[in-house]
Amino acid sequence: QQQVKQSPQSLIVQKGGISIINCAYENTAFDYFPWYQQFPGKGPALLIAIRPDVSEKKEGRFTISFNKSAKQFSLHIMDSQPGDSATYFCAARLGGKLIFGQGTELSVKP
Amino acid sequence: EAQVTQNPRYLITVTGKKLTVTCSQNMNHEYMSWYRQDPGLGLRQIYYSMNVEVTDKGDVPEGYKVSRKEKRNFPLILESPSPNQTSLYFCASSSWGETQYFGPGTRLLVL
Repeated sequence: QQQVKQSPQSLIVQKGGISIINCAYENTAFDYFPWYQQFPGKGPALLIAIRPDVSEKKEGRFTISFNKSAKQFSLHIMDSQPGDSATYFCAARLGGKLIFGQGTELSVKP
Repeated sequence: EAQVTQNPRYLITVTGKKLTVTCSQNMNHEYMSWYRQDPGLGLRQIYYSMNVEVTDKGDVPEGYKVSRKEKRNFPLILESPSPNQTSLYFCASSSWGETQYFGPGTRLLVL
């Protein structure tokens, strides 16, 4: 009930391409869905977040699409760059708890 | 500079030897939390605190203790560490409802 399932586990994209990472959840009580970006040796950093009353949020090259009825949300990275190579985590919040997906290791090839 | 600090950054210890990992934030955040990160499992929440003297269990609290006596500090205590607690630990803080800021991590090896 409190799991967040993330796919794919790893992703290789060419420079300029679109990276898409998907997450699914079960608990409809989740009220906040952030995406975090983590570079090797660093702590995660918030990339973009969305609340369930919004279907899409865009910040620069990063877009979250949210499908409440399907209980799915996804991160789209447009015009992917080698500097975007990192591990990405989706998450869902329930009260004081933050449940993370398993992570996606993105590699953008020049 | 607004930041979350953790100490130590690296720690090697032996089974059963009590240890404490400190976490401090200078942003006057009400909310603080501890996570462990393991390959293939993502980040899993250990404990969180909504404010001073208020703590609650996350998904994997077994073998850990926390305390929140001051707003800025949220230490993680392993009373009797075991090898399955070998992991990368992150502390995070936020004003409630806002971005969580993560510390740099503490890599723990329990032999």
